[in-house]
Amino acid sequence: GNSVTQMEGPVTLSEEAFLTINCTYTATGYPSLFWYVQYPGEGLQLLLKATKADDKGSNKGFEATYRKETTSFHLEKGSVQVSDSAVYFCALMGAAGNKLTFGGGTRVLVKP
Amino acid sequence: GAVVSQHPSRVICKSGTSVKIECRSLDFQATTMFWYRQFPKKSLMLMATSNEGSKATYEQGVEKDKFLINHASLTLSTLTVTSAHPEDSSFYICSASGGQGEDEQYFGPGTRLTVT
Repeated sequence: GNSVTQMEGPVTLSEEAFLTINCTYTATGYPSLFWYVQYPGEGLQLLLKATKADDKGSNKGFEATYRKETTSFHLEKGSVQVSDSAVYFCALMGAAGNKLTFGGGTRVLVKP
Repeated sequence: GAVVSQHPSRVICKSGTSVKIECRSLDFQATTMFWYRQFPKKSLMLMATSNEGSKATYEQGVEKDKFLINHASLTLSTLTVTSAHPEDSSFYICSASGGQGEDEQYFGPGTRLTVT
């Protein structure tokens, strides 16, 4: 079956530091890949997505590239802000349906 | 963006009682709604998928008689935890999608259930 593995947190950074959250997946076929963000007290929000190999999703300074050869979708941001403190979830949607499979989530804390 | 609400945000109930959680899409018609359960420091686990007007499809290992799902309209789905036990204590999250091949799911803020 499908599965998503992402690095465990928490990740603590200083403002303006570089952020990377690793995500790898196992799936049959060609899934779509997503990053969701959950700010404190709020629901999950779609941050970015990529639907085919070599696609790069980007939003709010975050980027992730769909790497089929390494089955990865690592999230990066060049300069984080305190407002980026949140829990980040990597997820995939199999080609056959509309169900999302989530990774365990990574809590990121950015300190001033 | 699309807004999904959940009510209540927190609920405490006694063991053996039932509790209902509502999920509403506020500004779009949700042809499909999803219910997830999130354990502390764990990922979201899909419990069931419901389409408006039809029976929910439950994931393997989820008791359909215990977790009753109703999706009676395009803006409302409910999850009823029947005969709740302490092990049912968890964070329940719903999401909704608008159909027509749209794959984006819009998530509610979640409901914290505590069974005493």
